[in-house]
Amino acid sequence: DSGVTQTPKHLITATGQRVTLRCSPRSGDLSVYWYQQSLDQGLQFLIQYYNGEERAKGNILERFSAQQFPDLHSELNLSSLELGDSALYFCASSVAPAGGKGEQFFGPGTRLTVL
Amino acid sequence: GDSVTQMEGPVTLSEEAFLTINCTYTATGYPSLFWYVQYPGEGLQLLLKATKADDKGSNKGFEATYRKETTSFHLEKGSVQVSDSAVYFCALSSGGSTLGRLYFGRGTQLTVWP
Repeated sequence: DSGVTQTPKHLITATGQRVTLRCSPRSGDLSVYWYQQSLDQGLQFLIQYYNGEERAKGNILERFSAQQFPDLHSELNLSSLELGDSALYFCASSVAPAGGKGEQFFGPGTRLTVL
Repeated sequence: GDSVTQMEGPVTLSEEAFLTINCTYTATGYPSLFWYVQYPGEGLQLLLKATKADDKGSNKGFEATYRKETTSFHLEKGSVQVSDSAVYFCALSSGGSTLGRLYFGRGTQLTVWP
C-alpha cells in the first residue's frame, strides 16, 4: 500500500458527460501529479500541483482541469468526454519539493470507460 | 527533451531464467532513474532507483546500474519467479525546470512460466 488513495476505482459514463476523479496523497506529501495510461500513448504526465498551486502542465487537454485543496487532496475534472478519454488515470505524490528528483508514490488508479 | 526508451515486449521466460530489460534515456542534467512495476489490475510500485552515476539500485533480487557513459539503466534479475510476471516501466526525473515530473518508457510485459 503506497498510502495514496484514489476514488472511484472504476467509472463508466457516456460521451459528452463530465466526471471528477479524486486523490488523497500520502501524509506529508505536498506534490500531487496526475498521469494518464492508455494503450496507444502509454503513461503520460498531465499536471502537477504543489501545496495548492499548479506547477506544471503536460499533455493535458483543455477539456481537463484539476485543483488541489487546502487539505492537499486533489481532483481531476474531465468534461465533454470522448471515447478516446477511456484510460487509467493515476495520481502520484512525492515527498520531494517541486523541482526535486525523488520517487513518486502511485495510487491504485481510476479506470474510466467512456461509452 | 527528456525521454526513456525501453525494449519492446513481451518477454517470456521459464522460472529461474536470467532476466534483462534494456532501458536507455535522454535527459538534460543529471536525472534520477527508476524502475516501476505494475502487477495485473494494480497501480505502479517503485521497484528500485538510482540517483547518480554508477549507483546500483536493488530490491527483491532485481538490480540496475546507472551508466552515464551509455545513458542506460538496464534491469536484471538472476533467477525469475512466476510471481515476477508484471509490466516493468523505466522512468526518469530530471527535476529543475521539469519540476520532478516522471518520464516513462512504454513498458515491458514479462511473463514467467513454471
